[in-house]
Amino acid sequence: AQSVTQLDSQVPVFEEAPVELRCNYSSSVSVYLFWYVQYPNQGLQLLLKYLSGSTLVESINGFEAEFNKSQTSFHLRKPSVHISDTAEYFCAVSDMGAAGNKLTFGGGTRVLVKP
Amino acid sequence: KAGVTQTPRYLIKTRGQQVTLSCSPISGHRSVSWYQQTPGQGLQFLFEYFSETQRNKGNFPGRFSGRQFSNSRSEMNVSTLELGDSALYLCASTAGQANEKLFFGSGTQLSVL
Repeated sequence: AQSVTQLDSQVPVFEEAPVELRCNYSSSVSVYLFWYVQYPNQGLQLLLKYLSGSTLVESINGFEAEFNKSQTSFHLRKPSVHISDTAEYFCAVSDMGAAGNKLTFGGGTRVLVKP
Repeated sequence: KAGVTQTPRYLIKTRGQQVTLSCSPISGHRSVSWYQQTPGQGLQFLFEYFSETQRNKGNFPGRFSGRQFSNSRSEMNVSTLELGDSALYLCASTAGQANEKLFFGSGTQLSVL
């Protein structure tokens, strides 16, 4: 069984300030890790994923996440946020050995960027 | 390419009724997954279909069922609706390999009164 914990349900942040969203997971098997973003009244969009290789992964819009196996964490960071980053962010894992696509999501973190 | 299309966008039903939701995946995608999103439970996996076969299943009661057609379109059905079934139901599609990027639709908002 797998579980994902996002430690902060809401994170208010001022525009151009840095933000970190924390994600910890628990699993009896090796996992792949994902961050998805959900803008208001929309479905989810993949932000970035870690499958293998470098533990630091980056997205095209300035976000990055680092996989830490010993701490079972996959925290998401952005050095300078924009108003348009206001959204809900979900961390997710999937079983590395499983067929198909079955994601276990965390509870989500709402980011509110203030001017 | 058109994105994932879910219909209807909103649905209101009463307890005890049944409901069918539809999902049209991105052209060429053969895998369709369904998720339930609620404020209390968050996002929970319902099931995944690939080439008309259920490939993965979540921990939902048998009242929740799905199917996939030969053109990869998928439907999910909920019978004997309960108040707790009120949720946003999201559909996602991929080409079919494991751990691919999921493309999500905007969802169907189901309200059970």
